[in-house]
Amino acid sequence: KQEVTQIPAALSVPEGENLVLNCSFTDSAIYNLQWFRQDPGKGLTSLLLIQSSQREQTSGRLNASLDKSSGRSTLYIAASQPGDSATYLCAVNNAGNMLTFGGGTRLMVKP
Amino acid sequence: EAQVTQNPRYLITVTGKKLTVTCSQNMNHEYMSWYRQDPGLGLRQIYYSMNVEVTDKGDVPEGYKVSRKEKRNFPLILESPSPNQTSLYFCASSLLQGDEQYFGPGTRLTVT
Repeated sequence: KQEVTQIPAALSVPEGENLVLNCSFTDSAIYNLQWFRQDPGKGLTSLLLIQSSQREQTSGRLNASLDKSSGRSTLYIAASQPGDSATYLCAVNNAGNMLTFGGGTRLMVKP
Repeated sequence: EAQVTQNPRYLITVTGKKLTVTCSQNMNHEYMSWYRQDPGLGLRQIYYSMNVEVTDKGDVPEGYKVSRKEKRNFPLILESPSPNQTSLYFCASSLLQGDEQYFGPGTRLTVT
């Protein structure tokens, strides 16, 4: 059964720092991997989707990479801003029917 | 605006009183699913549907029912809610199975 782990569970950084969030998964036979953002009490906003055949995807200040063979993905956030404060969730799609989520990284960017 | 909507957003009910949480999407997506989010357990899938009249169980289907009579709607039914179903529920949809999933705003359910 797929297991997804996110490290660290919480992170606090000063504004302007570049940072990396980590996601690891146990079963490398994946369809794709999706990164989400969740604000307190709110829904999930899709940030980036990486197909199993891709190595990375970029959107603005966000860059996500995927290394299927080692079961790892990273989300790189450049020049962090207070508005980036949220919980970031990594989700792996195996059989195409279900997303398996990690526990999330709670990010706080201090002004 | 392309979106997934859920109603109600907040609901407090009592044990055993049947309830339905509605989910609707306006993107002509074939695939829809329901998740619940609990502290320490993360998000887990309850049921999914690959198209009209095609539904299947996810990881935690016990105590829930679903139906998919129209492409745009995928209601979640709790026939006899219990306190352990107190949770934050999310509906999601994607164009096809395996595509990028879009989530609704969530329904916070409390069962007393």
